[in-house]
Amino acid sequence: DAGVTQSPTHLIKTRGQQVTLRCSPKSGHDTVSWYQQALGQGPQFIFQYYEEEERQRGNFPDRFSGHQFPNYSSELNVNALLLGDSALYLCASSLIPGGETQYFGPGTRLLVL
Amino acid sequence: AQKITQTQPGMFVQEKEAVTLDCTYDTSDPSYGLFWYKQPSSGEMIFLIYQGSYDQQNATEGRYSLNFQKARKSANLVISASQLGDSAMYFCAIYFGNEKLTFGTGTRLTIIP
Repeated sequence: DAGVTQSPTHLIKTRGQQVTLRCSPKSGHDTVSWYQQALGQGPQFIFQYYEEEERQRGNFPDRFSGHQFPNYSSELNVNALLLGDSALYLCASSLIPGGETQYFGPGTRLLVL
Repeated sequence: AQKITQTQPGMFVQEKEAVTLDCTYDTSDPSYGLFWYKQPSSGEMIFLIYQGSYDQQNATEGRYSLNFQKARKSANLVISASQLGDSAMYFCAIYFGNEKLTFGTGTRLTIIP
């Protein structure tokens, strides 16, 4: 049973650039949520995708956007990168949006220089 | 506003001893789910245990148990017979029915041989 996978594992970008992170959900799951975890803090909710639509969104600017594909995989895009965007980006999947347990991937570590 | 509090930034525990990690929350929503996740240095958020707000009995999963005191709004994680591999960050999280997880600030647990 394949778990949640994310790519790439690490990424280094410079300010102003754009980045795309990818996530494949756990087998059988159709809902994907994205979280940002800054160093020394708990994860913060960015947004959630179900049926290829953004269902809800946390307190993040429009520079953060996403997409979900028909196979339930998802992308997180961040435009005009800032130094403060440096963080671990975690993807979590669940079975339907109301599914209680979210299972997380290994994360993508983004460093913005 | 709904809030999660983990008051122990760090804990040191002797191997084979039991350890209790504290978590309190504040919500007026009668329906919610409580989670504990373990995050090793690799970064992946590992699901440990879940408790629903209407569950009558405390949840248990192997060496993990959740001491749920609804009236006091606390959901402490108890790890019995601690092992060196238990050294990690531990996060309490709550799902308030709006389909996103809200995390606490975490507790860094170090098991001493």
